[in-house]
Amino acid sequence: DAKTTQPPSMDCAEGRAANLPCNHSTISGNEYVYWYRQIHSQGPQYIIHGLKNNETNEMASLIITEDRKSSTLILPHATLRDTAVYYCIVRVDAGTSYGKLTFGQGTILTVHP
Amino acid sequence: DAGITQSPRHKVTETGTPVTLRCHQTENHRYMYWYRQDPGHGLRLIHYSYGVKDTDKGEVSDGYSVSRSKTEDFLLTLESATSSQTSVYFCATGWAEKTNEQYFGPGTRLTVT
Repeated sequence: DAKTTQPPSMDCAEGRAANLPCNHSTISGNEYVYWYRQIHSQGPQYIIHGLKNNETNEMASLIITEDRKSSTLILPHATLRDTAVYYCIVRVDAGTSYGKLTFGQGTILTVHP
Repeated sequence: DAGITQSPRHKVTETGTPVTLRCHQTENHRYMYWYRQDPGHGLRLIHYSYGVKDTDKGEVSDGYSVSRSKTEDFLLTLESATSSQTSVYFCATGWAEKTNEQYFGPGTRLTVT
């Protein structure tokens, strides 16, 4: 799986959009970009994933650049409960890789009142 | 929430003793995983299972064994616990049909003294 690079920490004001970047310059054509988050002491939680197109769900939006070398996770209206470690993971289809996830260090997002 | 429970949730044990952690799921997911999480290392895959009695090693499998005799249960055994195995252990199951999402349990905090 391709390696990802994320900033170690970011801050965001409550109610504002949080934009979390991820670099994956060695991504292959068949690799997806996944985002998970881990709120303190809990197990990680799936947020969103994408291959080429931008994606949106009830939690977040995922913007993938045209060359697929980087992506941005957007939390449109951050709340205090969004304070967590956010992991960007690149992986081939689960069926090919037995669904294994390789976690990096992630980005610690702190949302301030 | 995929109905994943882990037991025990907390355990303190002495070096050299055997320890078994249990992961139980109610969603009939085929795939199950054991990860450990340590400061500075993020989550790392220990072992995974792709079916009853079908298991394979992850990136940090030394000192651990697993068993899966039923779809719903995945056991992680430390044959002779060492202090380096002090960690938080997360079980996960997968996958959701549309997202290939993995679902994580609440974690087990193991301390080896």
